[in-house]
Amino acid sequence: DGGITQSPKYLFRKEGQNVTLSCEQNLNHDAMYWYRQDPGQGLRLIYYSQIVNDFQKGDIAEGYSVSREKKESFPLTVTSAQKNPTAFYLCASIRQGFLNTEAFFGQGTRLTVV
Amino acid sequence: SQKIEQNSEALNIQEGKTATLTCNYTNYSPAYLQWYRQDPGRGPVFLLLIRENEKEKRKERLKVTFDTTLKQSLFHITASQPADSATYLCALVGLTGGGNKLTFGTGTQLKVEL
Repeated sequence: DGGITQSPKYLFRKEGQNVTLSCEQNLNHDAMYWYRQDPGQGLRLIYYSQIVNDFQKGDIAEGYSVSREKKESFPLTVTSAQKNPTAFYLCASIRQGFLNTEAFFGQGTRLTVV
Repeated sequence: SQKIEQNSEALNIQEGKTATLTCNYTNYSPAYLQWYRQDPGRGPVFLLLIRENEKEKRKERLKVTFDTTLKQSLFHITASQPADSATYLCALVGLTGGGNKLTFGTGTQLKVEL
């Protein structure tokens, strides 16, 4: 079945550590997105990528980094520079260039700093 | 700055009534607007998309309107059911030089009571 997979579902990080969240899709979608969601809040855009080897900063990129070496994969690294990383992280993909461009989401990764 | 605003207060309605949710935006010229449903601890799921040249779109018990003059979209659920209880998010797609930037509102929680 086609879909978008995030792993792990739960992640614990010690202060000062970098951690990488995985996002893989087999939908052959060009565009991929990373969002952060805090309790009772909406989704805030961290980074997005339209094509391989290219990505743009979203609204809250500080303390995060991404790469897009393959069409299927868009990993997000939460660096030690991110002062408040505890949140629910969501990855999404969209098929570019078509009129009906709905976003497909993964099930999310809940990151907790311990 | 660009803003997408949804009513942050939860909307409580009785079963069978019509729920109406509002999405207002400023400093955007969106190509189209989308509505998503999100259940607790899960990723959003796409419901409807409406383009800038469309006034209204329907899907079963759902109806969306889009007024680019008022910069507002209304989302209606008719004959509401307890299973409709969830958070509903609107999202705007604005075409940028880097492609489609998908930005979400803060979401409105809907509770349908028996």
